[in-house]
Amino acid sequence: GENVEQHPSTLSVQEGDSAVIKCTYSDSASNYFPWYKQELGKRPQLIIDIRSNVGEKKDQRIAVTLNKTAKHFSLHITETQPEDSAVYFCAASIPPAYKYIFGTGTRLKVLA
Amino acid sequence: GAGVSQSPRYKVAKRGQDVALRCDPISGHVSLFWYQQALGQGPEFLTYFQNEAQLDKSGLPSDRFFAERPEGSVSTLKIQRTQQEDSAVYLCASSSLTRAYNEQFFGPGTRLTVL
Repeated sequence: GENVEQHPSTLSVQEGDSAVIKCTYSDSASNYFPWYKQELGKRPQLIIDIRSNVGEKKDQRIAVTLNKTAKHFSLHITETQPEDSAVYFCAASIPPAYKYIFGTGTRLKVLA
Repeated sequence: GAGVSQSPRYKVAKRGQDVALRCDPISGHVSLFWYQQALGQGPEFLTYFQNEAQLDKSGLPSDRFFAERPEGSVSTLKIQRTQQEDSAVYLCASSSLTRAYNEQFFGPGTRLTVL
């Protein structure tokens, strides 16, 4: 079946520390993995994504890694800032419609 | 340009009422998706349109849910005889192409509360 597991559900870090969120997917046909940030009452916003033919991608303080064999992918945020506080969702894109299967979300709190 | 818009932003319905939720995708976007997001959960896929064709409706929870996109642009999600378990945020997303590696742009959602 189509399933994405996400851990942890909540994460508190001190400002300046790193945060790591991990996801596991079940459908081996998945070939695209976006990460969305959702602030309270707002729409999900894409922060980074990775294709299945790439192992790692970095954009300033944010990086994503993908292990296709293990069906794991992770979000890494370095030098966290209070404005990073939000709920983060991982997702796997499932063909042929390329619909997203989302994880259950991680509430990140960055403590000043 | 304008992003994805949805209306109404908030809807309160009495149990048993019918509701209609509207989505205006980004102009020219071929693909349109509807998701349901329960409180504290991730969005869950409901249905997918490619232009006016509804190609996947596997996520619709019951036959009370119906979606259409008659001219390949604006879409409407209709819920008949609403139940309390229908209370959720309904998100619409659009993307420009139908292939893989394609970012979906989300609307602000419609928060439906069924009393």
